[in-house]
Amino acid sequence: EAGVAQSPRYKIIEKRQSVAFWCNPISGHATLYWYQQILGQGPKLLIQFQNNGVVDDSQLPKDRFSAERLKGVDSTLKIQPAKLEDSAVYLCASSLHQRNQPQHFGDGTRLSIL
Amino acid sequence: DAKTTQPPSMDCAEGRAANLPCNHSTISGNEYVYWYRQIHSQGPQYIIHGLKNNETNEMASLIITEDRKSSTLILPHATLRDTAVYYCIFGSSNTGKLIFGQGTTLQVKP
Repeated sequence: EAGVAQSPRYKIIEKRQSVAFWCNPISGHATLYWYQQILGQGPKLLIQFQNNGVVDDSQLPKDRFSAERLKGVDSTLKIQPAKLEDSAVYLCASSLHQRNQPQHFGDGTRLSIL
Repeated sequence: DAKTTQPPSMDCAEGRAANLPCNHSTISGNEYVYWYRQIHSQGPQYIIHGLKNNETNEMASLIITEDRKSSTLILPHATLRDTAVYYCIFGSSNTGKLIFGQGTTLQVKP
Protein backbone atom coordinates (compact mmCIF):
# COMPACT_ATOMS: atom_id res chain seq x y z
CA GLU A 1 0.00 0.00 0.00
CA ALA A 2 1.13 3.55 -0.62
CA GLY A 3 2.46 5.34 2.44
CA VAL A 4 1.67 8.76 3.85
CA ALA A 5 2.58 11.42 1.30
CA GLN A 6 3.79 14.87 2.32
CA SER A 7 4.85 17.91 0.36
CA PRO A 8 6.95 19.89 0.00
CA ARG A 9 9.95 17.96 1.26
CA TYR A 10 11.85 21.12 2.14
CA LYS A 11 10.84 24.76 2.60
CA ILE A 12 12.86 27.84 3.38
CA ILE A 13 11.10 31.10 4.27
CA GLU A 14 11.84 34.30 6.12
CA LYS A 15 10.34 35.05 9.50
CA ARG A 16 6.88 36.60 9.42
CA GLN A 17 6.09 34.91 6.11
CA SER A 18 3.41 32.24 5.80
CA VAL A 19 3.82 28.60 4.79
CA ALA A 20 1.57 25.60 4.19
CA PHE A 21 2.22 21.87 4.28
CA TRP A 22 0.14 19.18 2.65
CA CYS A 23 -0.51 15.60 3.73
CA ASN A 24 -2.25 12.71 2.01
CA PRO A 25 -2.80 9.84 4.45
CA ILE A 26 -2.92 6.13 3.70
CA SER A 27 -6.18 5.25 1.95
CA GLY A 28 -8.91 4.38 4.42
CA HIS A 29 -7.17 5.83 7.46
CA ALA A 30 -9.70 7.87 9.39
CA THR A 31 -7.28 9.37 11.90
CA LEU A 32 -4.65 11.90 10.90
CA TYR A 33 -1.97 13.53 13.05
CA TRP A 34 0.40 16.45 12.60
CA TYR A 35 3.62 16.47 14.62
CA GLN A 36 6.42 18.98 15.02
CA GLN A 37 9.94 17.61 15.48
CA ILE A 38 12.64 20.02 16.54
CA LEU A 39 16.21 18.91 15.92
CA GLY A 40 17.39 16.46 18.58
CA GLN A 41 13.95 15.90 20.06
CA GLY A 42 11.15 13.41 19.59
CA PRO A 43 8.05 14.39 17.62
CA LYS A 44 5.45 16.46 19.45
CA LEU A 45 1.78 16.14 18.56
CA LEU A 46 0.23 19.36 17.26
CA ILE A 47 -3.22 18.24 16.19
CA GLN A 48 -5.22 15.05 15.69
CA PHE A 49 -8.19 14.62 13.34
CA GLN A 50 -10.78 11.87 13.31
CA ASN A 51 -12.23 12.07 9.79
CA ASN A 52 -12.72 15.84 9.39
CA GLY A 53 -13.21 16.60 13.10
CA VAL A 54 -10.54 17.75 15.55
CA VAL A 55 -9.90 15.32 18.41
CA ASP A 56 -6.98 17.07 20.09
CA ASP A 57 -5.38 20.42 19.31
CA SER A 58 -4.20 21.24 22.82
CA GLN A 59 -0.55 21.65 21.72
CA LEU A 60 -1.28 23.70 18.60
CA PRO A 61 -0.18 27.36 18.88
CA LYS A 62 -3.47 28.65 17.61
CA ASP A 63 -2.35 32.26 17.27
CA ARG A 64 -0.18 31.28 14.31
CA PHE A 65 -0.88 27.65 13.40
CA SER A 66 -3.99 26.31 11.73
CA ALA A 67 -4.92 22.97 10.21
CA GLU A 68 -7.84 21.60 8.29
CA ARG A 69 -9.05 18.32 6.86
CA LEU A 70 -12.14 19.43 5.01
CA LYS A 71 -13.16 16.21 3.25
CA GLY A 72 -11.76 13.82 5.81
CA VAL A 73 -8.87 12.78 3.59
CA ASP A 74 -6.09 15.27 2.75
CA SER A 75 -4.96 17.80 5.31
CA THR A 76 -3.07 21.07 5.31
CA LEU A 77 -1.12 22.69 8.14
CA LYS A 78 -0.45 26.42 7.91
CA ILE A 79 1.83 28.76 9.83
CA GLN A 80 1.18 32.49 9.63
CA PRO A 81 3.29 34.38 10.55
CA ALA A 82 6.33 32.13 10.99
CA LYS A 83 8.81 32.64 13.81
CA LEU A 84 12.41 31.51 14.05
CA GLU A 85 11.46 28.85 16.63
CA ASP A 86 9.15 27.19 14.08
CA SER A 87 12.19 25.74 12.31
CA ALA A 88 11.54 22.01 12.52
CA VAL A 89 10.39 18.95 10.62
CA TYR A 90 6.62 18.73 10.31
CA LEU A 91 5.44 15.13 10.22
CA CYS A 92 2.07 13.77 9.22
CA ALA A 93 0.85 10.37 10.37
CA SER A 94 -2.32 8.36 9.89
CA SER A 95 -3.93 5.32 11.43
CA LEU A 96 -6.94 3.11 10.81
CA HIS A 97 -8.69 3.78 14.11
CA GLN A 98 -7.94 5.67 17.25
CA ARG A 99 -7.70 2.69 19.55
CA ASN A 100 -4.46 0.74 19.59
CA GLN A 101 -3.73 0.94 15.88
CA PRO A 102 -0.20 1.95 14.97
CA GLN A 103 0.43 5.28 13.34
CA HIS A 104 2.20 5.39 10.00
CA PHE A 105 4.35 8.42 9.31
CA GLY A 106 5.36 10.33 6.23
CA ASP A 107 8.91 11.57 5.81
CA GLY A 108 7.97 15.10 6.77
CA THR A 109 8.60 18.63 5.57
CA ARG A 110 11.78 20.26 6.79
CA LEU A 111 11.09 23.95 7.44
CA SER A 112 13.89 26.47 7.84
CA ILE A 113 13.13 30.02 8.96
CA LEU A 114 15.68 32.68 8.07
CA ASP B 1 1.54 13.06 30.38
CA ALA B 2 2.80 9.62 29.54
CA LYS B 3 6.54 9.23 29.94
CA THR B 4 9.07 6.50 29.34
CA THR B 5 12.73 6.21 30.29
CA GLN B 6 15.28 4.90 27.82
CA PRO B 7 19.08 4.94 27.76
CA PRO B 8 20.25 7.74 25.46
CA SER B 9 22.55 5.52 23.42
CA MET B 10 23.61 1.92 22.86
CA ASP B 11 26.03 0.06 20.64
CA CYS B 12 25.57 -3.36 19.11
CA ALA B 13 27.80 -5.55 16.96
CA GLU B 14 26.47 -6.44 13.54
CA GLY B 15 24.84 -9.87 13.54
CA ARG B 16 24.27 -9.89 17.28
CA ALA B 17 20.97 -9.35 19.06
CA ALA B 18 20.18 -5.80 20.11
CA ASN B 19 18.22 -5.53 23.35
CA LEU B 20 16.74 -2.09 23.95
CA PRO B 21 15.24 -1.50 27.42
CA CYS B 22 12.43 0.86 28.37
CA ASN B 23 10.87 1.78 31.69
CA HIS B 24 7.22 2.84 31.75
CA SER B 25 6.29 2.62 35.41
CA THR B 26 3.28 4.96 35.09
CA ILE B 27 1.57 2.98 32.34
CA SER B 28 -2.15 2.37 32.84
CA GLY B 29 -3.84 -0.97 32.46
CA ASN B 30 -5.35 -0.25 29.06
CA GLU B 31 -2.37 1.51 27.49
CA TYR B 32 -0.28 -0.27 24.89
CA VAL B 33 3.49 -0.09 24.58
CA TYR B 34 4.62 0.96 21.10
CA TRP B 35 8.06 0.92 19.57
CA TYR B 36 9.05 3.10 16.63
CA ARG B 37 12.38 3.86 15.08
CA GLN B 38 13.60 6.82 13.09
CA ILE B 39 16.40 6.72 10.59
CA HIS B 40 18.01 10.01 9.70
CA SER B 41 15.87 12.24 7.45
CA GLN B 42 12.93 9.84 7.54
CA GLY B 43 9.70 9.75 9.50
CA PRO B 44 9.30 7.36 12.44
CA GLN B 45 8.70 3.76 11.39
CA TYR B 46 6.35 1.55 13.37
CA ILE B 47 8.02 -1.62 14.69
CA ILE B 48 5.75 -3.42 17.12
CA HIS B 49 3.28 -2.91 19.96
CA GLY B 50 1.81 -4.92 22.81
CA LEU B 51 -0.39 -4.80 25.90
CA LYS B 52 0.53 -7.67 28.23
CA ASN B 53 1.81 -10.59 26.23
CA ASN B 54 5.10 -10.84 24.45
CA GLU B 55 4.84 -10.11 20.76
CA THR B 56 6.91 -11.02 17.72
CA ASN B 57 6.77 -9.93 14.12
CA GLU B 58 9.13 -9.98 11.15
CA MET B 59 11.09 -7.04 12.49
CA ALA B 60 11.45 -7.62 16.21
CA SER B 61 10.26 -9.15 19.46
CA LEU B 62 8.72 -7.25 22.37
CA ILE B 63 9.08 -8.58 25.89
CA ILE B 64 6.83 -6.93 28.50
CA THR B 65 7.36 -7.64 32.20
CA GLU B 66 4.48 -9.12 34.16
CA ASP B 67 3.93 -5.89 36.10
CA ARG B 68 4.03 -3.98 32.75
CA LYS B 69 6.42 -1.41 34.17
CA SER B 70 9.14 -2.14 31.66
CA SER B 71 9.75 -3.76 28.32
CA THR B 72 12.57 -4.79 26.01
CA LEU B 73 12.70 -4.57 22.24
CA ILE B 74 14.82 -7.29 20.70
CA LEU B 75 16.29 -7.07 17.20
CA PRO B 76 17.48 -10.66 16.78
CA HIS B 77 20.24 -10.11 14.23
CA ALA B 78 21.15 -6.45 14.01
CA THR B 79 22.40 -5.08 10.70
CA LEU B 80 24.00 -1.75 9.86
CA ARG B 81 20.62 -0.61 8.53
CA ASP B 82 19.17 -0.93 12.03
CA THR B 83 21.21 2.09 13.15
CA ALA B 84 18.51 4.57 14.20
CA VAL B 85 16.80 6.30 17.11
CA TYR B 86 14.39 3.91 18.81
CA TYR B 87 11.38 5.30 20.64
CA CYS B 88 9.43 3.45 23.30
CA ILE B 89 6.03 5.03 23.90
CA PHE B 90 2.85 4.11 25.66
CA GLY B 91 -0.28 5.41 24.07
CA SER B 92 -3.72 6.38 25.20
CA SER B 93 -6.19 3.70 24.21
CA ASN B 94 -8.92 6.36 24.22
CA THR B 95 -7.40 8.90 21.85
CA GLY B 96 -4.49 7.10 20.24
CA LYS B 97 -2.26 9.96 21.33
CA LEU B 98 1.46 9.13 21.49
CA ILE B 99 3.96 11.18 23.48
CA PHE B 100 7.50 10.69 22.22
CA GLY B 101 10.53 11.03 24.49
CA GLN B 102 14.17 11.35 23.46
CA GLY B 103 14.57 7.70 22.49
CA THR B 104 17.68 5.52 22.33
CA THR B 105 20.22 6.01 19.58
CA LEU B 106 21.32 2.53 18.53
CA GLN B 107 24.60 2.32 16.66
CA VAL B 108 25.22 -1.01 14.96
CA LYS B 109 28.91 -1.49 14.31
CA PRO B 110 30.62 -3.84 11.84
